[in-house]
Amino acid sequence: GAGVSQSPSNKVTEKGKDVELRCDPISGHTALYWYRQSLGQGLEFLIYFQGNSAPDKSGLPSDRFSAERTGGSVSTLTIQRTQQEDSAVYLCASRLSGLAGGPGTDTQYFGPGTRLTVL
Amino acid sequence: EDQVTQSPEALRLQEGESSSLNCSYTVSGLRGLFWYRQDPGKGPEFLFTLYSAGEEKEKERLKATLTKKESFLHITAPKPEDSATYLCAVRYYGNNRLAFGKGNQVVVIP
Repeated sequence: GAGVSQSPSNKVTEKGKDVELRCDPISGHTALYWYRQSLGQGLEFLIYFQGNSAPDKSGLPSDRFSAERTGGSVSTLTIQRTQQEDSAVYLCASRLSGLAGGPGTDTQYFGPGTRLTVL
Repeated sequence: EDQVTQSPEALRLQEGESSSLNCSYTVSGLRGLFWYRQDPGKGPEFLFTLYSAGEEKEKERLKATLTKKESFLHITAPKPEDSATYLCAVRYYGNNRLAFGKGNQVVVIP
């Protein structure tokens, strides 16, 4: 079946502009994550959505970052007034979140990422 | 604070030269430890999940093992196509996110 898809694959923008990054999770996966991967750094957690629950926004680095998930499926990560330090690869992952501890419910599957370059 | 440390950062191997990658983690409250493979320009690809000390998982030339404080990814008789960055990630109880190490960059020379 189809995996996690992300668009665009590459985005170049000018400092101060807003950008929107899109993620389509695996069908049926109720948990969705955004991570950021900067050069030489490990993946950094940004935000987590689970079903209709309030998202865990604790990883967002500033109030310029926001995300939403519509209809429990597609998610959009928005970065307002982009800065050069926002340049990174933004990765989305989804997880089949069933009964606690159920088989296959722990694994996060990642999309190909969006490479964001802020000039 | 969650801490996951991978070593060595980079490793060059001759084809057929077996080696091991290390991932150490904060000890308490481990729910699961995950290994991913990442090729340049791509997202991480899931390899293994380990849950308890003594557990082992294998896939082709890769074997992952887990102790109470670290995990090893053994690469047996590697081939050039095993060249990649291998990422270790940990999920702790009470936390839905994964904490990632910085990765082990492996290059296998023909």
